[in-house]
Amino acid sequence: GENVEQHPSTLSVQEGDSAVIKCTYSDSASNYFPWYKQELGKGPQLIIDIRSNVGEKKDQRIAVTLNKTAKHFSLHITETQPEDSAVYFCASFLHAGNMLTFGGGTRLMVKP
Amino acid sequence: GAGVSQTPSNKVTEKGKYVELRCDPISGHTALYWYRQSLGQGPEFLIYFQGTGAADDSGLPNDRFFAVRPEGSVSTLKIQRTERGDSAVYLCASSLSPSGFNEQFFGPGTRLTVL
Repeated sequence: GENVEQHPSTLSVQEGDSAVIKCTYSDSASNYFPWYKQELGKGPQLIIDIRSNVGEKKDQRIAVTLNKTAKHFSLHITETQPEDSAVYFCASFLHAGNMLTFGGGTRLMVKP
Repeated sequence: GAGVSQTPSNKVTEKGKYVELRCDPISGHTALYWYRQSLGQGPEFLIYFQGTGAADDSGLPNDRFFAVRPEGSVSTLKIQRTERGDSAVYLCASSLSPSGFNEQFFGPGTRLTVL
């Protein structure tokens, strides 16, 4: 089955700096890659997603890039703010499986 | 409108007991998913419903776990003879349809603790 690896597991940045989280996936048939933000005691919330026919997508301070050949995708957060502090999960969707496979998560800490 | 709701928010039980966890999806969402999230890990797929039927239950760890969605809306995850290893947060998600391009909206989860 699909396997998603996520790095780093923890990331500490200064407010205003950029943060980058990277993920790799194993099944080349995966075609949809969402990123979720999870705050303490809450369920994951979608922040951005990308389809396999697109290489990059941006939404204000957040961007995602996808390299299908290398089977990896990354989340980029610019001008980080303390409220960006949370756990971030990448995921891949394999239509044949009708399920999301999640990475292990990255705890992002933005220091004011 | 209202998001996905799950009850109870916390459940503490003793080893060997039976528990039921409830999920109320977003109205009109035909696809419903259950995931399990252990401490410090990402959610892991358990089961997926399309309407009333379980379209994929390949993630259920063993036959102590069972889920139903009798009217195509509310779903109940049932765990028999609970074990300490079942302790985790159980997340429910729903989407408009099972297409991978439809966002899965997650509930806040039920934290299950088996003593």
